[in-house]
Amino acid sequence: AQSVAQPEDQVNVAEGNPLTVKCTYSVSGNPYLFWYVQYPNRGLQFLLKYITGDNLVKGSYGFEAEFNKSQTSFHLKKPSALVSDSALYFCAVRDNLGYSTLTFGKGTMLLVSP
Amino acid sequence: ETGVTQTPRHLVMGMTNKKSLKCEQHLGHNAMYWYKQSAKKPLELMFVYSLEERVENNSVPSRFSPECPNSSHLFLHLHTLQPEDSALYLCASSQELGSSGNTIYFGEGSWLTVV
Repeated sequence: AQSVAQPEDQVNVAEGNPLTVKCTYSVSGNPYLFWYVQYPNRGLQFLLKYITGDNLVKGSYGFEAEFNKSQTSFHLKKPSALVSDSALYFCAVRDNLGYSTLTFGKGTMLLVSP
Repeated sequence: ETGVTQTPRHLVMGMTNKKSLKCEQHLGHNAMYWYKQSAKKPLELMFVYSLEERVENNSVPSRFSPECPNSSHLFLHLHTLQPEDSALYLCASSQELGSSGNTIYFGEGSWLTVV
């Protein structure tokens, strides 16, 4: 079985400060990890993914995420937050053992204040 | 703009109505999905189609009936729904199923309200 935990329902950060949205996962094999963002009244937009290789993955809108196998984490980061980054962020995981679909976390609301 | 288009964006229906949600993907993908997103609940995978064949049905009530006439189109037929079925229904597609790093791309969703 595979699972994702996003321990924070909400993250508050001031504009210009660095932000981190946490994600930990559990899979049987090796993980494929994804981050999506959902703006109000919109669908989910793909931000970035980790498949293999460099542990630091860069994605859209200046976001990046670091894969840490020993801590089974894939935290989303951005060096300088923008008010427009305020949205709901979802982490998702799929294992590499045969057919499986994505398992999503419950989401973390990011609020960036001016 | 996304490569996955959903219509209608908003739908209000009575419990005795029959309606359908439509999804079209312009990405040349072979797999399509229906997800349900309810307030304060995790994203729920409802149905998965690969090359127009249903490969997963996650214990979804029969009042939801999917149809995939070709690899570009996916429908969700709705019949005698309950108020608790009110949610955002998201369609998605990916290159293929299987153990891969393929990205799933989502549409903008259809907001369904059952009255």
